[in-house]
Amino acid sequence: QKEVEQDPGPLSVPEGAIVSLNCTYSNSAFQYFMWYRQYSRKGPELLMYTYSSGNKEDGRFTAQVDKSSKYISLFIRDSQPSDSATYLCALRTGGYQKVTFGIGTKLQVIP
Amino acid sequence: DADVTQTPRNRITKTGKRIMLECSQTKGHDRMYWYRQDPGLGLRLIYYSFDVKDINKGEISDGYSVSRQAQAKFSLSLESAIPNQTALYFCATSDSRTGEETQYFGPGTRLLVL
Repeated sequence: QKEVEQDPGPLSVPEGAIVSLNCTYSNSAFQYFMWYRQYSRKGPELLMYTYSSGNKEDGRFTAQVDKSSKYISLFIRDSQPSDSATYLCALRTGGYQKVTFGIGTKLQVIP
Repeated sequence: DADVTQTPRNRITKTGKRIMLECSQTKGHDRMYWYRQDPGLGLRLIYYSFDVKDINKGEISDGYSVSRQAQAKFSLSLESAIPNQTALYFCATSDSRTGEETQYFGPGTRLLVL
């Protein structure tokens, strides 16, 4: 079983839709949860960073962590064509440990 | 100007050749990383360095070597390139002082080994 599972998609939605992106994980020691956005032919860029369980909101983006279910989500409200990208979840345990990345979900927002 | 730069951006080479990918950063971060990205496999860590004198293997270091020439420079070498090293390579940096270890990625190098 992989440490982090993420559906690669692709996921196509109409402009204005609410998008839900998800990852599940198996290692209960993960404490730090991140979402990166990667545009085509670019490096990943950090979108959201959360520590432990709960929600974090930043503009149209909401990150949600449910440690009891080992499930993390990224919600995008009022999706725009410019949100079309690959979204990678990334998880880390405490102290320095390597970051474990999901394989990424490719999102296309259709005008 | 980009904070994390990688050269070259694209490279085609032949099996058996030695090549070097270079990474420079102006962020003042102490930690640097090399990843490769393959379709269906995601990002995998090749090597990481916590400072100039500290180099560590990642999960897929075989066939690769690195050099941390200065705090701002971290290069990745393929000693004898093989076709299954064809991939997208990313350099990343992080600042241990923040406690968050957020990683900042360069634009990537697309490598094709024939």
